Amino acid sequence: KAGVTQTPRYLIKTRGQQVTLSCSPISGHRSVSWYQQTPGQGLQFLFEYFSETQRNKGNFPGRFSGRQFSNSRSEMNVSTLELGDSALYLCASSLARGATQYFGPGTRLTVL
Amino acid sequence: QKEVEQDPGPLSVPEGAIVSLNCTYSNSAFQYFMWYRQYSRKGPELLMYTYSSGNKEDGRFTAQVDKSSKYISLFIRDSQPSDSATYLCAMTDGIQGAQKLVFGQGTRLTINP
Repeated sequence: KAGVTQTPRYLIKTRGQQVTLSCSPISGHRSVSWYQQTPGQGLQFLFEYFSETQRNKGNFPGRFSGRQFSNSRSEMNVSTLELGDSALYLCASSLARGATQYFGPGTRLTVL
Repeated sequence: QKEVEQDPGPLSVPEGAIVSLNCTYSNSAFQYFMWYRQYSRKGPELLMYTYSSGNKEDGRFTAQVDKSSKYISLFIRDSQPSDSATYLCAMTDGIQGAQKLVFGQGTRLTINP
């Protein structure tokens, strides 16, 4: 069974731009969570989607948003990019809420 | 103060040594405890999953949870160079925030041949 896939793997943007990252969960998995990983703050929870609804949200500004489609694929969007948004963005999927989370390889975003 | 504290290392040990990795936490609501391993340029992969206090063993890996002390550990026996990676502890209360994992900073481990 294929793992979690994330596209693109690498992205370079400039301040003020917006970006959309995509995540395809493991087949049959219905919950998708997003995390931001930086050297300074480590791995931090962004939000979780289940059945196309946001179920939980971390302490990030409103510039960070996401959505989930009927096939469980998810996208996250960051608007008005700041230098501090440079990070590895990880997506994790699980069979159901509260089940084991399996991570994708991440999208490395660099903001110049 | 962070909810989960983990010594970032780096930690360097010779091949075959026993490795001990630890995390402390402050939120007594945490009930589910995990250890993830992350290789460079890869996403974290789940190593161990433990509910509440106690020990769990899987091959060369043993996870321990002491809820009374708010302390969790991962032991690696007969360490191999392929174990060189960053190890992250993670935990959740399993209730309203079931999917919200709170991670430690990660410990970078190097096993020297």
